Amino acid sequence: DTEVTQTPKHLVMGMTNKKSLKCEQHMGHRAMYWYKQKAKKPPELMFVYSYEKLSINESVPSRFSPECPNSSLLNLHLHALQPEDSALYLCASSQGTLAPLHFGNGTRLTVT
Amino acid sequence: GENVEQHPSTLSVQEGDSAVIKCTYSDSASNYFPWYKQELGKGPQLIIDIRSNVGEKKDQRIAVTLNKTAKHFSLHITETQPEDSAVYFCAAIRPGSARQLTFGSGTQLTVLP
Repeated sequence: DTEVTQTPKHLVMGMTNKKSLKCEQHMGHRAMYWYKQKAKKPPELMFVYSYEKLSINESVPSRFSPECPNSSLLNLHLHALQPEDSALYLCASSQGTLAPLHFGNGTRLTVT
Repeated sequence: GENVEQHPSTLSVQEGDSAVIKCTYSDSASNYFPWYKQELGKGPQLIIDIRSNVGEKKDQRIAVTLNKTAKHFSLHITETQPEDSAVYFCAAIRPGSARQLTFGSGTQLTVLP
């Protein structure tokens, strides 16, 4: 079992809905990440939090809003998504740079 | 920035045979190279990694080799088993890069019983 827990596992939402994805890790890692993965493609980086502060936003549309309430939790708030946003959303954590990333099993998001 | 190319995109082997997946990277400053295995419905899981001061690393049936001069690294799986079937991603990290990993495009490995 993965040490990074993501909820929910599956989510179906309409384009006018507001929902949130949640991620939790208890490994004491100080860096946390959101990735988006389309079918048969590698994960694409969206956001990086370092010591609970947003350090990287890879030009992600504002309909995706990350939040890091504390060093163990990471949220991704979703609003007014488009069907093309349907994907697997992966959370990951690491001790720091040059340290292995630990991924959760993701949230499979479908936007209708 | 870093660019990682991975080959082949699909690989089928008979159970018990060996499988080799190759990656090349562009940034000579990259010095950490992890390999991830992603099973259907799961997130990528680290299976082995190598740092640039080492040429080879082995963990049971899995080994990784690194050629810094040629800027390529390879994953070797011996005595393959059906449970090795998955998508494998290589990756590279450049020091000081908070963006972490640059992934290869992935290899779908199928082990035929």
